Amino acid sequence: DGGITQSPKYLFRKEGQNVTLSCEQNLNHDAMYWYRQDPGQGLRLIYYSQIVNDFQKGDIAEGYSVSREKKESFPLTVTSAQKNPTAFYLCASSVTARGPYEQYFGPGTRLTVT
Amino acid sequence: DAKTTQPPSMDCAEGRAANLPCNHSTISGNEYVYWYRQIHSQGPQYIIHGLKNNETNEMASLIITEDRKSSTLILPHATLRDTAVYYCIVRGFGGAQKLVFGQGTRLTINP
Repeated sequence: DGGITQSPKYLFRKEGQNVTLSCEQNLNHDAMYWYRQDPGQGLRLIYYSQIVNDFQKGDIAEGYSVSREKKESFPLTVTSAQKNPTAFYLCASSVTARGPYEQYFGPGTRLTVT
Repeated sequence: DAKTTQPPSMDCAEGRAANLPCNHSTISGNEYVYWYRQIHSQGPQYIIHGLKNNETNEMASLIITEDRKSSTLILPHATLRDTAVYYCIVRGFGGAQKLVFGQGTRLTINP
């Protein structure tokens, strides 16, 4: 069954702790993305990766870090430097970052930091 | 990427066709129109996309006007499971290829 998995679905952390969100895809897609969604708002791009061992900052990268060591995996770390980390985090992938290819999304991880 | 305008909400009766409009008057020649939907607390789901010709797949049809300044997403036989927020997105090829989601249309299918 092909798709994108994100785990966990809900995550709770104390302020000041780093936390890593998992994103895995078995679609053989080159490009992967991380978005953040706040209540009632649209999605904002955090980081994206066009190929293994490469990634670029999106619009709101401050306080986040990523790695892309394997084609299938693109984990996102929310660091203590992120001022408002509580949000719904969405991972997506597409065949390639170039061209009119659609992005497919995972189910999301809802992070709550208190 | 061009800006899009959608009505904030719409209602449709179950079994009827749902027609969701989108204005994108500043669209440029190489920009595609994409439609996604998001059911509450889930990740967005890709529906369909097109450049200038009408498109149809198993989920929906996309009608793009000849001047490409507007489009309509058609769900031919709406079911209760089609209740969601529908996003119309215009996207070109440059840069991060990010999807810019606006406020979308909240479609409610009524029994």
